[in-house]
Amino acid sequence: DSGVTQTPKHLITATGQRVTLRCSPRSGDLSVYWYQQSLDQGLQFLIQYYNGEERAKGNILERFSAQQFPDLHSELNLSSLELGDSALYFCASSVAPVAGGGTGELFFGEGSRLTVL
Amino acid sequence: DAKTTQPNSMESNEEEPVHLPCNHSTISGTDYIHWYRQLPSQGPEYVIHGLTSNVNNRMASLAIAEDRKSSTLILHRATLRDAAVYYCILVRHSGGGADGLTFGKGTHLIIQP
Repeated sequence: DSGVTQTPKHLITATGQRVTLRCSPRSGDLSVYWYQQSLDQGLQFLIQYYNGEERAKGNILERFSAQQFPDLHSELNLSSLELGDSALYFCASSVAPVAGGGTGELFFGEGSRLTVL
Repeated sequence: DAKTTQPNSMESNEEEPVHLPCNHSTISGTDYIHWYRQLPSQGPEYVIHGLTSNVNNRMASLAIAEDRKSSTLILHRATLRDAAVYYCILVRHSGGGADGLTFGKGTHLIIQP
């Protein structure tokens, strides 16, 4: 158990819909990362937050957005869903960003499997 | 970003040592070498990391070449539970910018009983 909690574990929805994925980081971790894993693309970094502020963006689509709340949990919002958005979405957390003294060790949750029909 | 190259797959027998290679010829001086693994139906899991010297922990050993252009993850006695995709990743420990790990395809390790 990594200590990172993601909900829901599974989600089935239709094209055009909007969903929200939730992540609770490990106790004490200030940095949260979101990743998407699909069969053809592998693990793709989407976005990173640190202590409530966006720190870095990766390959995140404009239809997707995220935020980190004062209690440090994070939500990933996916809208206007398309078939190609079907994937596993992982959240990870770390104590601090690497440049802020973190070790680069990320702790991953078990993922949220999104199926868009 | 500095890239890594790993074999697509490797096969080993249970209870034998496994050496997983990684090439990173464009590594910079501030890049740490990290290894993660992803067991079936789970999120990636940190294994080990190092900079220049060889490193050991309860899960594995990391051997780093003197010129740092390659490294090897060593599982001393593989078990069926070690069957996973192993990712070798470079993490820059200086400057600002993204910390998000850049995962490649990794090596799919198959363990035969």
